[in-house]
Amino acid sequence: ILNVEQSPQSLHVQEGDSTNFTCSFPSSNFYALHWYRWETAKSPEALFVMTLNGDEKKKGRISATLNTKEGYSYLYIKGSQPEDSATYLCAPSGGSNYKLTFGKGTLLTVNP
Amino acid sequence: EAGVAQSPRYKIIEKRQSVAFWCNPISGHATLYWYQQILGQGPKLLIQFQNNGVVDDSQLPKDRFSAERLKGVDSTLKIQPAKLEDSAVYLCASSLDQLGVSSPLHFGNGTRLTVT
Repeated sequence: ILNVEQSPQSLHVQEGDSTNFTCSFPSSNFYALHWYRWETAKSPEALFVMTLNGDEKKKGRISATLNTKEGYSYLYIKGSQPEDSATYLCAPSGGSNYKLTFGKGTLLTVNP
Repeated sequence: EAGVAQSPRYKIIEKRQSVAFWCNPISGHATLYWYQQILGQGPKLLIQFQNNGVVDDSQLPKDRFSAERLKGVDSTLKIQPAKLEDSAVYLCASSLDQLGVSSPLHFGNGTRLTVT
């Protein structure tokens, strides 16, 4: 089981603000990193699957970067909207069995 | 494509009772997962199937939890008897990737279990 840290645990921003959060994980035996968005009363939705060091992925106003050598990934949201309010989960895969280990998530609240 | 179907959405039971959850994954997805998400924690993998074989059940409390995947498609997760600490959201997910790494997981809406 990997030690996965997500920070901050929660944050409140105003509509239009840009924000970012961090996912830290062990850098050894890395295979992939997943980001998911989980809105209340809905199912977790995949945002990105990243595998290569230096990867940058973008989906609309959301983007992510990956540094496998130092063991972290950043998720950025540009111009936050109330509909971005959700818990953002990261899940790296590493070790001998490829299993994804989820972090506790970052709860984002965007105030109109 | 139809998503991952789970039922029921909510369940309230008393401790020591039994409960079962059902999951129908996306058609063609070989890998199926059951996760337990306790409030304030990240989802924890309980069991992973590839087709109808178990790949990983190292975190499944086998004295009370059991799971099966019928004919490599639908799956059921059972708890018998339930304890208070089993109160959680139980998520089913499926994936096209046989290792469950390079393809995203597709989740169902989950079952919120409350044990009183």
